[in-house]
Amino acid sequence: NAGVMQNPRHLVRRRGQEARLRCSPMKGHSHVYWYRQLPEEGLKFMVYLQKENIIDESGMPKERFSAEFPKEGPSILRIQQVVRGDSAAYFCASSPPVKSLRGEQYFGPGTRLTVT
Amino acid sequence: ILNVEQSPQSLHVQEGDSTNFTCSFPSSNFYALHWYRWETAKSPEALFVMTLNGDEKKKGRISATLNTKEGYSYLYIKGSQPEDSATYLCAVLKTSYDKVIFGPGTSLSVIP
Repeated sequence: NAGVMQNPRHLVRRRGQEARLRCSPMKGHSHVYWYRQLPEEGLKFMVYLQKENIIDESGMPKERFSAEFPKEGPSILRIQQVVRGDSAAYFCASSPPVKSLRGEQYFGPGTRLTVT
Repeated sequence: ILNVEQSPQSLHVQEGDSTNFTCSFPSSNFYALHWYRWETAKSPEALFVMTLNGDEKKKGRISATLNTKEGYSYLYIKGSQPEDSATYLCAVLKTSYDKVIFGPGTSLSVIP
């Protein structure tokens, strides 16, 4: 059973470009979380999704950021018109239906975004 | 808004010392608590999932306790080793359908 996969692992974008980060959850997992780790900081919640549904996006910046988890395929975190302050590690985590394992999360290896 | 706190923020101990740190959360509407270990340049890995008041979990030299009535959990490391150096994250679910809320973490450095 493959773990949570994220790609790319490293992404370099120039200011103003778009960044697309992908997350494939573990098999059987129906929930995906996206977190951001800024330099010298901890994990900051961004968005919580179920397939075809955003459950909580209270941690997402209001502009330029969007996330989706389609019926088929990976979850995508999209950052439009990137700025230097978007440089961070972005982690995805997946979990099975909460009641089965009390919401334990399995993290992917992260995508390190660098904006030049 | 659920607020999860952890203390201390950072800790330096000598190899062989035992140590413990705390996760605090509002005691009302508790569903589950998780402990994660996060090594530098890696991704967090789950250590324990705890749900019941009085729960005690153990994995090797690491153990955890849970008190849901007063809203805290302790993580203990017996005989710390340099490989225990990591950030230890606590996360709480208020209900089965809410998002997981992470605390800021306790950064542990074990000095050989």
